[in-house]
Amino acid sequence: GQQVMQIPQYQHVQEGEDFTTYCNSSTTLSNIQWYKQRPGGHPVFLIQLVKSGEVKKQKRLTFQFGEAKKNSSLHITATQTTDVGTYFCAGSDSNYQLIWGAGTKLIIKP
Amino acid sequence: GAVVSQHPSWVICKSGTSVKIECRSLDFQATTMFWYRQFPKQSLMLMATSNEGSKATYEQGVEKDKFLINHASLTLSTLTVTSAHPEDSSFYICSATLRDSPPYYGYTFGSGTRLTVV
Repeated sequence: GQQVMQIPQYQHVQEGEDFTTYCNSSTTLSNIQWYKQRPGGHPVFLIQLVKSGEVKKQKRLTFQFGEAKKNSSLHITATQTTDVGTYFCAGSDSNYQLIWGAGTKLIIKP
Repeated sequence: GAVVSQHPSWVICKSGTSVKIECRSLDFQATTMFWYRQFPKQSLMLMATSNEGSKATYEQGVEKDKFLINHASLTLSTLTVTSAHPEDSSFYICSATLRDSPPYYGYTFGSGTRLTVV
């Protein structure tokens, strides 16, 4: 079946360093969404990418959708303690069913 | 924006009893609601998709007789864990979207219910 692979599982960074997580789908997606889940919380929608090659920015966050609509990335510039959490990608098929990546946990080193 | 209210936030129940979790869309009509289960440090696992007025569609491996889903109205879906056992302890989260509209705003999640069966 359809799968979305997300790497890395964890990333430890010093505050101020950059962070990137990658998602790769086994099939072409209709769109891809990104969510952030704080520890103990629920997923919060960040953004949706629909077009091939699309790039969107939200302040220090940059989201990209590959040309083949099979891969995506989230890059955070100059991480802050408020960025801590697990970032999930979720690919959407034509029926709007979400196929979730395993998530990447961002850990800020003290 | 769209808000989904989920209750209770946490519940502790005895083994063998049933627990009902409610999910309400507060300012929009959710034609489709999704129920997820999340184990610690893992991704969300889709359990079932419920459409208003029809039977829920369960994912493979999810027992429909154990996890009863009712979506009686456009704003309310319930998940009942029947005859709960300790292995049912988990974080259950609902989400909602308007199936007939592109998900421009993504899926809105409830705050989740942490179920502990003792």
